[in-house]
Amino acid sequence: GAGVSQSPSNKVTEKGKDVELRCDPISGHTALYWYRQRLGQGLEFLIYFQGNSAPDKSGLPSDRFSAERTGESVSTLTIQRTQQEDSAVYLCASRPRGAHRYGYTFGSGTRLTVV
Amino acid sequence: GQQLNQSPQSMFIQEGEDVSMNCTSSSIFNTWLWYKQDPGEGPVLLIALYKAGELTSNGRLTAQFGITRKDSFLNISASIPSDVGIYFCAGQGSSNTGKLIFGQGTTLQVKP
Repeated sequence: GAGVSQSPSNKVTEKGKDVELRCDPISGHTALYWYRQRLGQGLEFLIYFQGNSAPDKSGLPSDRFSAERTGESVSTLTIQRTQQEDSAVYLCASRPRGAHRYGYTFGSGTRLTVV
Repeated sequence: GQQLNQSPQSMFIQEGEDVSMNCTSSSIFNTWLWYKQDPGEGPVLLIALYKAGELTSNGRLTAQFGITRKDSFLNISASIPSDVGIYFCAGQGSSNTGKLIFGQGTTLQVKP
């Protein structure tokens, strides 16, 4: 597609339930990132995928968080047993291979509310 | 997680005024980026800086990469109502992953 697509745009879930967030990167973009943005805060890095290389998971806040990506396609971020502090906007971004010095393109995010 | 110190947190200005915001870090960065985020949208890249001392303009926006490589500022001249939004600085270190560290954001409101 023309841009990074994320779904759903909004998600309300009950505490303790699992949620799955989806990101469709720009076609041909090999690198994909997930960030979390809490209300009134900057973006926190969660995880980075580059092609078929092992992902950089150093930003995942707990083992309840996991993400998958097959090749250079769609990625899913899964949060198990959601807690209220997981409420945030989850942003996905992608960039072409080798363009790591340049800003990447963000999606519009998924706003997650845990009640 | 690690964050940059961005200031001011918010600004409320009159249309036509100039605006300045800055970011500082305890770490050295190789790249500084400035983003703008509108409500309900992801951040959009405004300016990218790659060399210490570099001064770059994009229309009414001007940004500089500090000589120490630990700071950057963004100026907006002759503000207009559509400048409203949240502005973020972001720094990238020596890693080639492209992972960015973001500031907390500056919320700009412009009074027509």
